[in-house]
Amino acid sequence: DAKTTQPNSMESNEEEPVHLPCNHSTISGTDYIHWYRQLPSQGPEYVIHGLTSNVNNRMASLAIAEDRKSSTLILHRATLRDAAVYYCIGGGGGSRLTFGEGTQLTVNP
Amino acid sequence: NAGVTQTPKFQVLKTGQSMTLQCAQDMNHEYMSWYRQDPGMGLRLIHYSVGAGITDQGEVPNGYNVSRSTTEDFPLRLLSAAPSQTSVYFCASSQTMGVISPLHFGNGTRLTVT
Repeated sequence: DAKTTQPNSMESNEEEPVHLPCNHSTISGTDYIHWYRQLPSQGPEYVIHGLTSNVNNRMASLAIAEDRKSSTLILHRATLRDAAVYYCIGGGGGSRLTFGEGTQLTVNP
Repeated sequence: NAGVTQTPKFQVLKTGQSMTLQCAQDMNHEYMSWYRQDPGMGLRLIHYSVGAGITDQGEVPNGYNVSRSTTEDFPLRLLSAAPSQTSVYFCASSQTMGVISPLHFGNGTRLTVT
């Protein structure tokens, strides 16, 4: 898997958008960018993944830089339930993924 | 639809004891894997399986055994527990390994070895 760099922590206010950055300068041309999140005392949960173009689903949006060296996970309106550790992973097949330490997101009421 | 079920939720072992962590999925997924998560750290891959009868080592396999006799079950065996194996263990599954399919995780087993 490609090495990724994320901030250790971020804070947001409820009902505001959140932009979670991730750098992956060594990502190969065939590696996907995956995002998972882990709520307290639970296993990680899939959020979104993409290869080159921006992706949207019901949970979030993924904006991928044109050079693919970075990406941003966008939560359009943060809720208290979005407080979690967010993992950005660069890898090929969706299974043998390496989870780093991620970004701890705190959502303030 | 239960998804990925792990048992037990909590376990305390003495050094040298052996035990099996159970993992079952009801989604007919081909791929299953085991991770461990130490406090404040990410997840590290222990073993994985791409189908019944096929297993392989991940990043940290020492001290653990696995087998995959059915599609549904993927137990993790600790042969002789050590304090360094105190951790939270997560089982995960996905439809296949070769295509991009999301991992589904269980809620973990918290293991303490004294």
